[in-house]
Amino acid sequence: EAAVTQSPRNKVTVTGGNVTLSCRQTNSHNYMYWYRQDTGHGLRLIHYSYGAGNLQIGDVPDGYKATRTTQEDFFLLLELASPSQTSLYFCASSDPTGDSYEQYFGPGTRLTVL
Amino acid sequence: LAKTTQPPSMEAYEGQEVNVSCSHTNIATSEYIYWYRQVPHQGPQFIIQGYKDYVVNEVASLFISADRKLSTLSLPWVSLRDAAVYYCIVTDILLSGSFNKLTFGAGTRLAVCP
Repeated sequence: EAAVTQSPRNKVTVTGGNVTLSCRQTNSHNYMYWYRQDTGHGLRLIHYSYGAGNLQIGDVPDGYKATRTTQEDFFLLLELASPSQTSLYFCASSDPTGDSYEQYFGPGTRLTVL
Repeated sequence: LAKTTQPPSMEAYEGQEVNVSCSHTNIATSEYIYWYRQVPHQGPQFIIQGYKDYVVNEVASLFISADRKLSTLSLPWVSLRDAAVYYCIVTDILLSGSFNKLTFGAGTRLAVCP
């Protein structure tokens, strides 16, 4: 079964702080995604990548950078964190082959920006 | 992209069969239907996907109306572990190529009573 891990699981920072959220998948999936989840908005796509060195913009990219260093590792960077970025962040991966487009999600990182 | 409409909440007793409906009246011919669920403190988990007719796997079954405007996720013999938010998602794979963009709405919150 696909495994996606995230670290840290919880993070508290202050406004203007620099935060990096990490995601690793161990199933050689090509696609990786970063979502945020807020009450009343469901999950919203921030950035995604289809391979090492690639980065694509999602639906809510403002204030976020991302980097895909290897096929396994995808990082989300908040260089000047703001309280509006307090949220639950999920990473996911997928390998669309045939008719299966299932995404595998990590356990999430809860970020609080004071 | 098709918009989905689900009931905001449902309640069932353990052992009952639960049917969660999803309306997607503007679904395009190239769009597929996915169902995910999310239990508290975890990321969403894929349940089932379909295009038309009837699909079944070890977890659930999915019935799609002939005009594809309505789908129903059926969970047999629910247990307390099935208490979760269930998301119906419609996505156009052909247009997006291999990119599997999932747009999560508010979903249906299923409460299971002992």
